[in-house]
Amino acid sequence: NAGVTQTPKFQVLKTGQSMTLQCAQDMNHNSMYWYRQDPGMGLRLIYYSASEGTTDKGEVPNGYNVSRLNKREFSLRLESAAPSQTSVYFCASTSGTKDTQYFGPGTRLTVL
Amino acid sequence: ELKVEQNPLFLSMQEGKNYTIYCNYSTTSDRLYWYRQDPGKSLESLFVLLSNGAVKQEGRLMASLDTKARLSTLHITAAVHDLSATYFCAFQGSGYSTLTFGKGTMLLVSP
Repeated sequence: NAGVTQTPKFQVLKTGQSMTLQCAQDMNHNSMYWYRQDPGMGLRLIYYSASEGTTDKGEVPNGYNVSRLNKREFSLRLESAAPSQTSVYFCASTSGTKDTQYFGPGTRLTVL
Repeated sequence: ELKVEQNPLFLSMQEGKNYTIYCNYSTTSDRLYWYRQDPGKSLESLFVLLSNGAVKQEGRLMASLDTKARLSTLHITAAVHDLSATYFCAFQGSGYSTLTFGKGTMLLVSP
């Protein structure tokens, strides 16, 4: 089992460019999450999908959109990147919303 | 409002010493998690604490939960260099389906 995988691992964008971060899990989990991690801020939830076909906003959703493509995949899109979106992005999944979350390796995004 | 306060945020220890990291949370909680993150790496689950008085131990780490005080602690016994990492607590508020994370405690263990 690969667990939770994320692509790309690193990305540099210019302000205004768009991109999609991909996340996939092979654990047959129902719930998936996107977080961002900034120095000294811990992890902050951007969006989550409690089950296939549903998505909800987290603490910091502005500037992002998500798609739960199927049970395995949950993507995060930046439509018009801003320097404030420079961060490390983590995807996580869990079998149920009250179970332990398992994290992917992260995507390091720099917006110039 | 869901809030988690961890302290200290930075901890420099000598090998062989004991110390405790504190995690205070703001509302009633269904469960409390501790995660470890090595530099440049992802988060790894250490413990999940489900009820008042719960205690879990793994090697030199022991976590406990006091739901009345809304406090969890992570106790480090006889620290070794391999424990150097950032430790996060996260709680799930009652009725919520998401986690709220603390800012993390960066632990540095030196000889």
